[in-house]
Amino acid sequence: DAGVTQSPTHLIKTRGQQVTLRCSPKSGHDTVSWYQQALGQGPQFIFQYYEEEERQRGNFPDRFSGHQFPNYSSELNVNALLLGDSALYLCASSLVGSNTEAFFGQGTRLTVV
Amino acid sequence: AQSVTQLDSQVPVFEEAPVELRCNYSSSVSVYLFWYVQYPNQGLQLLLKYLSGSTLVESINGFEAEFNKSQTSFHLRKPSVHISDTAEYFCAVSAKAAGNKLTFGGGTRVLVKP
Repeated sequence: DAGVTQSPTHLIKTRGQQVTLRCSPKSGHDTVSWYQQALGQGPQFIFQYYEEEERQRGNFPDRFSGHQFPNYSSELNVNALLLGDSALYLCASSLVGSNTEAFFGQGTRLTVV
Repeated sequence: AQSVTQLDSQVPVFEEAPVELRCNYSSSVSVYLFWYVQYPNQGLQLLLKYLSGSTLVESINGFEAEFNKSQTSFHLRKPSVHISDTAEYFCAVSAKAAGNKLTFGGGTRVLVKP
């Protein structure tokens, strides 16, 4: 079992550009959540996808969007990048209705210059 | 909405000494409680969780946490730390109807000194 895998591991983008981050959930999981972890802070919930739809959303602007594919993998897209978007982006997968454990990937470190 | 406060941002501790990491939460609904650990340049790993039942929960590597509903706390303890416990520790809550949406505290960095 490969667990939750995220790609790429590191990324450098310029202000105003757009970025796409990818996540493959743990085998058997159907729900994917995305978190932003700024340096020195705890992760902040961005949104959650289940059955290819956004089910819950945190306090993030519309520049942050996502998608879930039929194989449960997911993408996080950020448009019009700001310096403040520099962070570690974490993907977590879980099984709907379980309310037990979310498994996290290693994260994608995004640097906006 | 939920919120989590970790009262200590950094905790230096000597090897083989005990450590306690404090966590308080606020919620208008019933919650599940979690402690996650993050080693440098890695993602989060679940350390332990409280869902229901006994208020004292234990991990396989010697950590334990106690849920105190009246004080809305979920403090993490280890009686004797190792160098390998150096990491950042995050307390998190999830409302029982929120489907694994986690609200995290700001984290506590534990530095174990030889």
